[in-house]
Amino acid sequence: SQQGEEDPQALSIQEGENATMNCSYKTSINNLQWYRQNSGRGLVHLILIRSNEREKHSGRLRVTLDTSKKSSSLLITASRAADTASYFCATGGGNKLTFGTGTQLKVEL
Amino acid sequence: DTAVSQTPKYLVTQMGNDKSIKCEQNLGHDTMYWYKQDSKKFLKIMFSYNNKELIINETVPNRFSPKSPDKAHLNLHINSLELGDSAVYFCASSQDVVAGQDTQYFGPGTRLTVL
Repeated sequence: SQQGEEDPQALSIQEGENATMNCSYKTSINNLQWYRQNSGRGLVHLILIRSNEREKHSGRLRVTLDTSKKSSSLLITASRAADTASYFCATGGGNKLTFGTGTQLKVEL
Repeated sequence: DTAVSQTPKYLVTQMGNDKSIKCEQNLGHDTMYWYKQDSKKFLKIMFSYNNKELIINETVPNRFSPKSPDKAHLNLHINSLELGDSAVYFCASSQDVVAGQDTQYFGPGTRLTVL
């Protein structure tokens, strides 16, 4: 069954606002990664957080991980139109990555 | 200077045909993957290879046969194409042999349409 479930499935915000996406998963993990997919393109890695980390920052991105709740969140601050894309969480454990269902983010001018 | 490249970008073919998708990475990575993304954007691992050796085969029909002539290339051959094979196929690579430990780098995708 699908490992990660993102919430919400779709999110529409105005430029400059913050966007928060959540990911829940089912089994124990070594790490959790977030990827972005622009329309018609491949996935691009954004950030990796290990199971012993609780929070990580990269530029306008902030990721949290709560292994007790088996959940993670991705916060994009001061969003831009160029942030419009689908965002996927991916859980790493064993010998493969398992991707979530994705959140489609639309940032409007 | 493309890191992971795939050809072709689009592939339209009739049911029953055989087709191949090629993938090359110039990152020096040891591990390569094939993923299938369906119309709902659900992304699922199909195969992974490490140094030309198959390490993951996720219950994919045996009509799909990956081939890795060297560690920089992982091609996907599909026999007797079916309507349900229509999807976007992504190649990816990573440095670590343990796929779950490392960042993966994705190609631009091949959109396969079976008529």
